[in-house]
Amino acid sequence: EVQLLESGGGLVQPGGSLRLSCAASGFTFSSYAMSWVRQAPGKGLEWVSAISGSGGSTYYADSVKGRFTISRDNSKNTLYLQMNSLRAEDTAVYYCAKDWYYYDSSASNAFDIWGQGTIVTVSS
Amino acid sequence: DIQMTQSPSSLSASVGDRVTITCRASQSISSYLNWYQQKPGKAPKLLIYAASSLQSGVPSRFSGSGSGTDFTLTISSLQPEDFATYYCQQSYSTPPVTFGQGTRLEIK
Repeated sequence: EVQLLESGGGLVQPGGSLRLSCAASGFTFSSYAMSWVRQAPGKGLEWVSAISGSGGSTYYADSVKGRFTISRDNSKNTLYLQMNSLRAEDTAVYYCAKDWYYYDSSASNAFDIWGQGTIVTVSS
Repeated sequence: DIQMTQSPSSLSASVGDRVTITCRASQSISSYLNWYQQKPGKAPKLLIYAASSLQSGVPSRFSGSGSGTDFTLTISSLQPEDFATYYCQQSYSTPPVTFGQGTRLEIK
């Protein structure tokens, strides 16, 4: 069964750091780009960051650029999100998602598998 | 960045109704439009990709159409399990991936 399982969320003070993990199973992890998507309480979905299958290319939303770092360990089938200088507005459920390219085009991308999410709360 | 705007933001309907949700992109995105369903406390689920292709395992009462800037998600006959929030998402010009603000479908 294809599965993603996030961990690492919790309560952190403003300015603090947290590292999220996403353990993948049931597919060839290194063959797929992966993303983090977050959802603030009562709000919609916001894409945060993405990384290529090899880990050689990374992308960030402007709202987290310079503060968050996405990485992966293909030997451990695990995706990470290192979050530094956290702010109250980073409070959200963080989902990892598998990128699926349904055609042979960089634009033909959808998130076909999602984890259950991990909650990050930034508050003093 | 491409902005995605959904309408309506919320919708009340009854079991058996036909429902249509609209998504508009701020510029042409060809057919690079996906639809997701999210139930309370759960992760989103991919319903439709490439504007009109049904994801495996998704009931055929769901359909998508459109290209360019205007897209629709239609549920032909609402079932009790369809009451949820629906999001559109463009993948034409990334990063960033952008989502619509969501449409909450409630029971009348």
